[in-house]
Amino acid sequence: GNSVTQMEGPVTLSEEAFLTINCTYTATGYPSLFWYVQYPGEGLQLLLKATKADDKGSNKGFEATYRKETTSFHLEKGSVQVSDSAVYFCALSNTNAGKSTFGDGTTLTVKP
Amino acid sequence: SAVISQKPSRDICQRGTSLTIQCQVDSQVTMMFWYRQQPGQSLTLIATANQGSEATYESGFVIDKFPISRPNLTFSTLTVSNMSPEDSSIYLCSVSSYENTEAFFGQGTRLTVV
Repeated sequence: GNSVTQMEGPVTLSEEAFLTINCTYTATGYPSLFWYVQYPGEGLQLLLKATKADDKGSNKGFEATYRKETTSFHLEKGSVQVSDSAVYFCALSNTNAGKSTFGDGTTLTVKP
Repeated sequence: SAVISQKPSRDICQRGTSLTIQCQVDSQVTMMFWYRQQPGQSLTLIATANQGSEATYESGFVIDKFPISRPNLTFSTLTVSNMSPEDSSIYLCSVSSYENTEAFFGQGTRLTVV
């Protein structure tokens, strides 16, 4: 079956620090990969996505590259801000009737 | 994209009662899903809401406990029946239009059972 493994959190960084959140997956076929962000008290929002191998998704300074050879989709940002504090979920979706499989989430706290 | 309105946004309920959560989408969508997010944990899929027919439940979830309706392509309800404190959680409605595309989420319903 499908599974997503995220690095354990929480992660605490100072403003302008470099961020990496690791994500690896197991899936049949050729899934699409996603990062979602959940701000306090809100639902999930799509942050970025990649639909095939070697694609790079990017948004708001965040990037992630679909690495089929290592089955990974690590999230990076060069300089985090306090407003980036949130929970980040790695996820995949394949032909399994449109369902998504989520990682456990990583809580990021950015301090001024 | 799709805009999803979910209500109520939060509720505090007595054990043994039931709560119905509504999910309204601003456009017709193929697939609708209900997830549960327990405190500090990831999302667990409860079921796929099928238009005009019974929902498809994931392992560990049953219709008697979580009856779901989907009368059309833009609306669904999830009922949490005979609630216990273990049902305290955030319940999320999610939609997508095609396979392999992103999901859109409502803001969630934060349920506390006392």
